[in-house]
Amino acid sequence: SYVVTQSPSVSVAPGQTARITCGGNDIGIKSVHWYQQKSGQAPVLVVYDDSDRPSGIPERFSGSNSGNTATLTINRVEAGDEADYFCQVWHSNRDHLEVVFGGVTKLTVL
Amino acid sequence: EVQLVESGGGLVKSGRSLRLSCTTSGFTFGDYAMSWFRQAPGKGLEWVGFIRSRAYRGATQYAASVRGRFTISGDDSNSIAYLQMDSLKTEDTGLYYCTRARRDTSGYYYSDVWGQGTLVTVSS
Repeated sequence: SYVVTQSPSVSVAPGQTARITCGGNDIGIKSVHWYQQKSGQAPVLVVYDDSDRPSGIPERFSGSNSGNTATLTINRVEAGDEADYFCQVWHSNRDHLEVVFGGVTKLTVL
Repeated sequence: EVQLVESGGGLVKSGRSLRLSCTTSGFTFGDYAMSWFRQAPGKGLEWVGFIRSRAYRGATQYAASVRGRFTISGDDSNSIAYLQMDSLKTEDTGLYYCTRARRDTSGYYYSDVWGQGTLVTVSS
């Protein structure tokens, strides 16, 4: 199966830039989607197809994907960005499809 | 406004069955795939399965952990997606989310709208 890894935590001060990475073998050829989940709430899509932003998501959120690493970048971090972040890809084996999550990265705003 | 509301969760004993419903509004249900996810307490997200849109004849795919026990179906007339869960195990305990799924550039899906979830607790 396909393995994706995320660092468990990232801490940044308000106004700084947070980078959350998602690593996997040749992940650059896959479509990567990012979700934000604040405490006690349902997840929210913040980036899809590596770098596209749904309507209503601030431009401060951006994504990139190349080689073995996909990155979610949050510019000018605000206290309200504190949340868990998940990256998601699909993996196809011979018979079945499966969603692969990279674990979770907890973003702490200092 | 697009809305998804899950219902049907509860406490059930291991080996029993439960059916979750996802009542949708604000979009043409039959034009979209629907995915189910779950989240065990304090854990990350786990994909359960999806049902493709009417254009793809409602084909389904499931995670290995639930394949053969869970079944996803859709009622286009009433805009409801269902998750039938049989032979439940204690490890199926979690918050179950229904999502609207859109095709990504690889031909698979991302979830652009999520419900608030319904809690399923399976006791031994």
